[in-house]
Amino acid sequence: GQNIDQPTEMTATEGAIVQINCTYQTSGFNGLFWYQQHAGEAPTFLSYNVLDGLEEKGRFSSFLSRSKGYSYLLLKELQMKDSASYLCAVRVWEAGTALIFGKGTTLSVSS
Amino acid sequence: GAVVSQHPSRVICKSGTSVKIECRSLDFQATTMFWYRQFPKKSLMLMATSNEGSKATYEQGVEKDKFLINHASLTLSTLTVTSAHPEDSSFYICSAREGRADVFQGQFFGPGTRLTVL
Repeated sequence: GQNIDQPTEMTATEGAIVQINCTYQTSGFNGLFWYQQHAGEAPTFLSYNVLDGLEEKGRFSSFLSRSKGYSYLLLKELQMKDSASYLCAVRVWEAGTALIFGKGTTLSVSS
Repeated sequence: GAVVSQHPSRVICKSGTSVKIECRSLDFQATTMFWYRQFPKKSLMLMATSNEGSKATYEQGVEKDKFLINHASLTLSTLTVTSAHPEDSSFYICSAREGRADVFQGQFFGPGTRLTVL
């Protein structure tokens, strides 16, 4: 079976740094994705990792360790608008090119 | 960037009726589209994978006779919820893949359709 775990909720303050962890056990691996989703809206793509290491995109960075089945999304200089749900998703060949999603982490940023 | 639209954005219907949801890729050709559903405060659950010109592949537990998927062109896929019941009320999201399967070009999501069955 496929299993993707993330913390359910996290809180942080404006300007801070937060790290959202994701662990996965899947039959096959062909890339890990992070999406941001505001309530009632579609997910928007944040990052993609297929090789071990860190990918940086402005305030957002994502890390992958395939041997450990582990990824994290790092958000720096938090802003109120970063309050959203963050979804970790894995692409496995068994599912073709579809994505298997974790339950998502709801991040609340306060002033 | 790649844009995916969905129509309608919100629909309310009576129990027993059928509802059709359209998913369009506006500025690219999508050989593969995916349909997800999402319950409140839950993650996206893949319902089916839709390939242009062929039958959709449904995930385990998804009734293909209840959720009819048609992918007649490279820019349009439709999901029809037949004989809808209140338990079908959910947020339905489609996504489309751009690029070859072995090269990540991104998977782009539509804005979603909120279905409420009374």
